[in-house]
Amino acid sequence: AQSVTQLDSQVPVFEEAPVELRCNYSSSVSVYLFWYVQYPNQGLQLLLKYLSGSTLVKGINGFEAEFNKSQTSFHLRKPSVHISDTAEYFCALMNRDDKIIFGKGTRLHILP
Amino acid sequence: DADVTQTPRNRITKTGKRIMLECSQTKGHDRMYWYRQDPGLGLRLIYYSFDVKDINKGEISDGYSVSRQAQAKFSLSLESAIPNQTALYFCATSDPAGQGNYNEQFFGPGTRLTVL
Repeated sequence: AQSVTQLDSQVPVFEEAPVELRCNYSSSVSVYLFWYVQYPNQGLQLLLKYLSGSTLVKGINGFEAEFNKSQTSFHLRKPSVHISDTAEYFCALMNRDDKIIFGKGTRLHILP
Repeated sequence: DADVTQTPRNRITKTGKRIMLECSQTKGHDRMYWYRQDPGLGLRLIYYSFDVKDINKGEISDGYSVSRQAQAKFSLSLESAIPNQTALYFCATSDPAGQGNYNEQFFGPGTRLTVL
């Protein structure tokens, strides 16, 4: 069975500090991996995706993620966060049936 | 105008009532999905449809039904609402003719449903 585990339900971080949101996945076959962001009272927006090729992928708003096959991880990073990054972040995988499996989400709290 | 719209955006109903949530899209996509989001549980797939004549159950379809009235419209019904169906519901669309082998899903703004 395929699954996505987000290791932290909430992450507080000071403004302008770096942040890493952790994600591990489980799958016996190759999958596509994603990070989505949900700003307060809004729908989901694609932040970045890994389909194949370079293991370091860059997304919108200065975020990047690194695919690590041996560790089955896809951690999201940003070198300096801003108050506007306050949101919930979802790691997800897509299987060959085009269905997305989401992690439970990580709430990012930016402290002034 | 938004590409994927959902109506209503907020709804409060009582236990036992029938309720319908509607989703419309102007993206011309064949594939549509319904998810529910619960705090701490992420999003879970309820139903999906790959074209007008194709309806499939997702992870948590019990207590729900769907109707694909046209390519652009996909409705979710709760035949007899119960309190544990209180959640945020999202509709999404994707296009199998999209980028490479990957079909990005585009999400609507969500419907917040409260069942008393």
